[in-house]
Amino acid sequence: AQTVTQSQPEMSVQEAETVTLSCTYDTSESDYYLFWYKQPPSRQMILVIRQEAYKQQNATENRFSVNFQKAAKSFSLKISDSQLGDAAMYFCAYSAYSGAGSYQLTFGKGTKLSVIP
Amino acid sequence: KAGVTQTPRYLIKTRGQQVTLSCSPISGHRSVSWYQQTPGQGLQFLFEYFSETQRNKGNFPGRFSGRQFSNSRSEMNVSTLELGDSALYLCASSLAVSTVGYTFGSGTRLTVV
Repeated sequence: AQTVTQSQPEMSVQEAETVTLSCTYDTSESDYYLFWYKQPPSRQMILVIRQEAYKQQNATENRFSVNFQKAAKSFSLKISDSQLGDAAMYFCAYSAYSGAGSYQLTFGKGTKLSVIP
Repeated sequence: KAGVTQTPRYLIKTRGQQVTLSCSPISGHRSVSWYQQTPGQGLQFLFEYFSETQRNKGNFPGRFSGRQFSNSRSEMNVSTLELGDSALYLCASSLAVSTVGYTFGSGTRLTVV
């Protein structure tokens, strides 16, 4: 079974600084997808960034970028120029084909990010 | 474009009762998945529906069931509620093939007393 591990339950960052959230996963699949989701107090999970395993180039979305190390099964999220609105729970998630057209998500336990003004 | 809508937002039920939660996906999305979120177990996959058929199921007891209607709206039902069923239930929708990621609703907070 696939597992996703986020080893940092909580982290904090000064406003305007950079922070990196760690994620490792375990899989025997060669074709899969990785995601970072953000869950603010409003509870809605918001997709931050997505990476396809077959692409070597690291994904970037504005201030958010990933460091994808396929051999090491590592997928870290870097947030640059942190803003107060970035404070939330961040979940790393893995998805691979699970039959019948389905790609279910497997989530890590999450990292609570605080942003200090 | 309207997002994923879940109703109700909060629910309090008594142990032994049953409950039905509703999810309306984004227009055009035909896949609907359900996840249970608890402090102890984190986010766990319940099931996925596509074109009114369940195409994947997580490791939950048979008390948890769901269905999807022809307009892609989905409901999940939990019978004989237990205290441990207290959780945030999240619904997510996607296009037919969900490799681009899911769009989640704000969830239904179920409290069993």
